[in-house]
Amino acid sequence: DTGVSQNPRHKITKRGQNVTFRCDPISEHNRLYWYRQTLGQGPEFLTYFQNEAQLEKSRLLSDRFSAERPKGSFSTLEIQRTEQGDSAMYLCASSFSESGYQETQYFGPGTRLLVL
Amino acid sequence: GEDVEQSLFLSVREGDSSVINCTYTDSSSTYLYWYKQEPGAGLQLLTYIFSNMDMKQDQRLTVLLNKKDKHLSLRIADTQTGDSAIYFCAESIFGGGDKLIFGTGTRLQVFP
Repeated sequence: DTGVSQNPRHKITKRGQNVTFRCDPISEHNRLYWYRQTLGQGPEFLTYFQNEAQLEKSRLLSDRFSAERPKGSFSTLEIQRTEQGDSAMYLCASSFSESGYQETQYFGPGTRLLVL
Repeated sequence: GEDVEQSLFLSVREGDSSVINCTYTDSSSTYLYWYKQEPGAGLQLLTYIFSNMDMKQDQRLTVLLNKKDKHLSLRIADTQTGDSAIYFCAESIFGGGDKLIFGTGTRLQVFP
C-alpha cells in the first residue's frame, strides 16, 4: 500500500460550478477524515467517517458541501455552487481506530482547488 | 475551548539545533503531534507524544511536553537545509473522534 491518495491533485473551476474530489485511504484504515487548509493557515477539520458512517461534521461544512463513503473504503467530497471562498487545499487523512485505541492519522497529498 | 498557537517563523543556521514551540488549551488532549509540510505538499507525520509522557526522542527529533503549562516543543538536532518547511503541531481531542486541531504552523528556514 502506498498510502493515502487523492484525486485530482489540482482543480480550477468557475464560480457556481460543482466539483467532486476523491480520497482513497490506506486499505486497513477504518477512519477517514477531511480537512481544509487555506493559505497561511493550519488545516481545519471538516468531517470524518468510521467505516461508512459519517460521525461528525464541522460547522465549517455548509449545506453546499457533502461527503460520502458508501462502502467504507474511498470517500468523495462534493462542493456545489462553488464560491471564491472555497479556494483552498482539501486534505484527506485516514487512521485505524478500535475501542480505546487510537492510531495516528496519515495524510494524502491534497487537492488544491481554485475557484475563479 | 480548542486553540493551538505557534510562532510564525524560525530561522537557523545549518548544523545548529532548532526549537519550535507550541501551546494548546484543551486539557483533554490525548495525543500531541508534529507534522511537516513542504511547499505544495500534504502533511508528513514526524512524531507524536502521548499526553502522559514528558519527553520522546526519535533520532534527531526530541519532543518535550509540559502538561501543566500546556506547552509542547520540537527540537531538531543538526538542522539541515532539507528541514526547511512548515511545522504544525496538532492536538487530538479525547472523545472528539480523534480529530486534529492544528496550529497555524511555524515556517523553518535553514540557511548555510
